Amino acid sequence: QSVLTQPPSASGTPGQRVTISCSGSSSNIGTNYVYWYQQLPGTPPKLLIYMNNQRPSGVPDRFSGSKSGTSASLAISGLRSEDEAHYYCASWDDSLKGPLFGGGTKLTVL
Amino acid sequence: EVQLLESGGGLVQPGGSLRVSCAASGFTFGSYAMSWVRQAPGKGLEWVSGISGSGSSTYYADSVKGRFTISRDNSKNTLYLQMNSLRAEDTAVYYCAKWSLVSPLFDYWGQGTLVTVSS
Repeated sequence: QSVLTQPPSASGTPGQRVTISCSGSSSNIGTNYVYWYQQLPGTPPKLLIYMNNQRPSGVPDRFSGSKSGTSASLAISGLRSEDEAHYYCASWDDSLKGPLFGGGTKLTVL
Repeated sequence: EVQLLESGGGLVQPGGSLRVSCAASGFTFGSYAMSWVRQAPGKGLEWVSGISGSGSSTYYADSVKGRFTISRDNSKNTLYLQMNSLRAEDTAVYYCAKWSLVSPLFDYWGQGTLVTVSS
């Protein structure tokens, strides 16, 4: 099944560590890399993590990615108010023959 | 500095057509694949279409195949998306993005242009 499933919401307090999950299948996460995007309110998405756990230049090391089997996770440590955003996982899907995005997780910093 | 600037969005009736454009600067446009990704109001991201640097290869999501056509003019550093037979469910902000071919890696995004399909 060509779907990436994320929890619709997550929350944490400043300084806390939060994780966001992304569940897929053998046609996507199971055999391909996972990417993560951050979308701040009113702005376009920004690449946060590529190839499962790599950070582009300029992305703080508070953000980390991991993958195991057909699931992946984004971890944010030392949570800050400016991390409040939507987060999307993405992977190539071999059945669809195209990029596939998760439904997104809205992170609230309490 | 990489810049992507979309234009051409607007209100169109169901069944109508519209062409959106994306002017690129700050990189060697013809050397890189490009894509369109859309976001319906209050919803998530959906990849729409992609094109290789030369323009010789094109890729489409099933939801738009046969209705949308992606193209590029490397002499003008511009990407296009021709949208025909538009439906209400095509209403979205359309982002152009610099794309690593055959992957979900979009490393630069434009600000987007809103396409509204309504009577």
